[in-house]
Amino acid sequence: NAGVMQNPRHLVRRRGQEARLRCSPMKGHSHVYWYRQLPEEGLKFMVYLQKENIIDESGMPKERFSAEFPKEGPSILRIQQVVRGDSAAYFCASSPSGGSNQPQHFGDGTRLSIL
Amino acid sequence: GQQVMQIPQYQHVQEGEDFTTYCNSSTTLSNIQWYKQRPGGHPVFLIQLVKSGEVKKQKRLTFQFGEAKKNSSLHITATQTTDVGTYFCARRYGGATNKLIFGTGTLLAVQP
Repeated sequence: NAGVMQNPRHLVRRRGQEARLRCSPMKGHSHVYWYRQLPEEGLKFMVYLQKENIIDESGMPKERFSAEFPKEGPSILRIQQVVRGDSAAYFCASSPSGGSNQPQHFGDGTRLSIL
Repeated sequence: GQQVMQIPQYQHVQEGEDFTTYCNSSTTLSNIQWYKQRPGGHPVFLIQLVKSGEVKKQKRLTFQFGEAKKNSSLHITATQTTDVGTYFCARRYGGATNKLIFGTGTLLAVQP
């Protein structure tokens, strides 16, 4: 009965490289959310996806960031040409549906460090 | 209008003392959720409140939703060292999205 699985737990990249963060939702969950948490701050919504669809990407930076949730496989958050300001913890959450009363279950997060 | 404010930002208590964190919104909330995040950990769902004036208890934790559905509180009775962490309230944004808008969080430190 695995929870939300994220990998890697820690990721180090140099400026200009690409970062790929993966998230497998809980079994039976088809809705995935990505949040970013800067040091000493709260979580900020980035993007909400269902299988093969982006529902809300209002929190995604306009450039360098993209997300997908393919029919098969995990959801991917991709950051191209990383900069120091991208250093943060990236959390994925899932829920069984998009209902308003559904709690979101979070993964352990990926701590991204940019050198 | 989306932001959810929490106070205090930080609270340091002696073990056994009580603790309360408050969450305030300028707009009416359809529901409010509470999460706990241990240092270095991930947010863990605690509870959801949906009704005006609702009060729910989980052992030493008491959650309240204001009558006007614009504020909420979390009260911990007789804190223990295991209560250490950051407590976040979160509101659902509404519409077609189920995204959560998190409060600024309250970091609780408990001294044994």
